[in-house]
Amino acid sequence: GAVVSQHPSWVICKSGTSVKIECRSLDFQATTMFWYRQFPKQSLMLMATSNEGSKATYEQGVEKDKFLINHASLTLSTLTVTSAHPEDSSFYICSARDLRVGRELFFGEGSRLTVL
Amino acid sequence: GENVEQHPSTLSVQEGDSAVIKCTYSDSASNYFPWYKQELGKGPQLIIDIRSNVGEKKDQRIAVTLNKTAKHFSLHITETQPEDSAVYFCAASKVGGMGGGADGLTFGKGTHLIIQP
Repeated sequence: GAVVSQHPSWVICKSGTSVKIECRSLDFQATTMFWYRQFPKQSLMLMATSNEGSKATYEQGVEKDKFLINHASLTLSTLTVTSAHPEDSSFYICSARDLRVGRELFFGEGSRLTVL
Repeated sequence: GENVEQHPSTLSVQEGDSAVIKCTYSDSASNYFPWYKQELGKGPQLIIDIRSNVGEKKDQRIAVTLNKTAKHFSLHITETQPEDSAVYFCAASKVGGMGGGADGLTFGKGTHLIIQP
């Protein structure tokens, strides 16, 4: 099936720095990608919908200036956590829909962010 | 918006027995209901999904049932095996027509399935 790749799979950074996470659709084009956040032993929470060539749509309570999303091409979306703080430590997961196979969402393997 | 409730939060069954996980949703416009299996430190993997025009779907040991009137859907795993141990999430979304509507999924809180040897 379709493959979604995330990079890096894990990252440790100091408080106050910014971290960029990439999400790529490897064998299909994705006009829309989704970013989720998952805290330990909790469910996935949709953060934002990334739209190729236009602004991302953020869910209520998610800070746009804190979590910058760029969907510059049909195969790449990036999430930048700006001025990261320890409370931003989480598992970030992206997903994309391959319209060739219908409504199934394919998920990346996730990126674990730890902010010291 | 959509709200998905999932039960139980933890389920322990003997190897070879069946496991059932249940979810309810609130938005009657939701029309796509996938189930995901997530192993520790990994992203969710789709195991089965069902659309609102179908009442039941089966794939080997896994089956999903949907009751649109009651707004609930269930995952059934038969002849459970140790490798079935994982966290399972149900989800719901409202997807538009052909090629259209790219709504993100609303997930349930997850069920930790433990298969006892």
